[in-house]
Amino acid sequence: EAQVTQNPRYLITVTGKKLTVTCSQNMNHEYMSWYRQDPGLGLRQIYYSMNVEVTDKGDVPEGYKVSRKEKRNFPLILESPSPNQTSLYFCASRTGLGYTFGSGTRLTVV
Amino acid sequence: AQKVTQAQTEISVVEKEDVTLDCVYETRDTTYYLFWYKQPPSGELVFLIRRNSFDEQNEISGRYSWNFQKSTSSFNFTITASQVVDSAVYFCALMRGSQGNLIFGKGTKLSVKP
Repeated sequence: EAQVTQNPRYLITVTGKKLTVTCSQNMNHEYMSWYRQDPGLGLRQIYYSMNVEVTDKGDVPEGYKVSRKEKRNFPLILESPSPNQTSLYFCASRTGLGYTFGSGTRLTVV
Repeated sequence: AQKVTQAQTEISVVEKEDVTLDCVYETRDTTYYLFWYKQPPSGELVFLIRRNSFDEQNEISGRYSWNFQKSTSSFNFTITASQVVDSAVYFCALMRGSQGNLIFGKGTKLSVKP
């Protein structure tokens, strides 16, 4: 089954403690992306990757890092999380026909 | 600049009513794609429809229909005879060409009451 898998689904952490949200796709897609969703703001793009070792900033990249060492994985790294990064995060991969989204990661930073 | 506007923040209807969710987009590209996604209370994003800029035919899928009008840059979504299970947040989105990033509107929260 074609899918994008994010882990964890839920995470509560403390300010400043580094964390990584993993994202993996099994469709051999070149393009992957991270979004965050906040009430009243919709989904905003954090980072995207056109292919292995090629990443670029989206609309809200501050406070985040990504890496793309292999095609299937695109982890989102928060080096020093802050409460304003409390949000619902989605990973997605893309073909020419559209996007496949992961199930989301609900992150709370206290 | 590209932009998607969903002016309706929240809509509340009674079951069996028809409801239309508005979506207005801005782009200077001639080739683009428009999408609608549903986000039920469980949180996942459910793909509903994709439409390219060269295809202005309206589409109907069961109780769902979409009206695409390039002249007004709109891609509206109508649910006929709404049901409680239609309660969700609905997002309209725009993709530039076939390789662009996906830009979302802020979403419309639909509540269907029994």
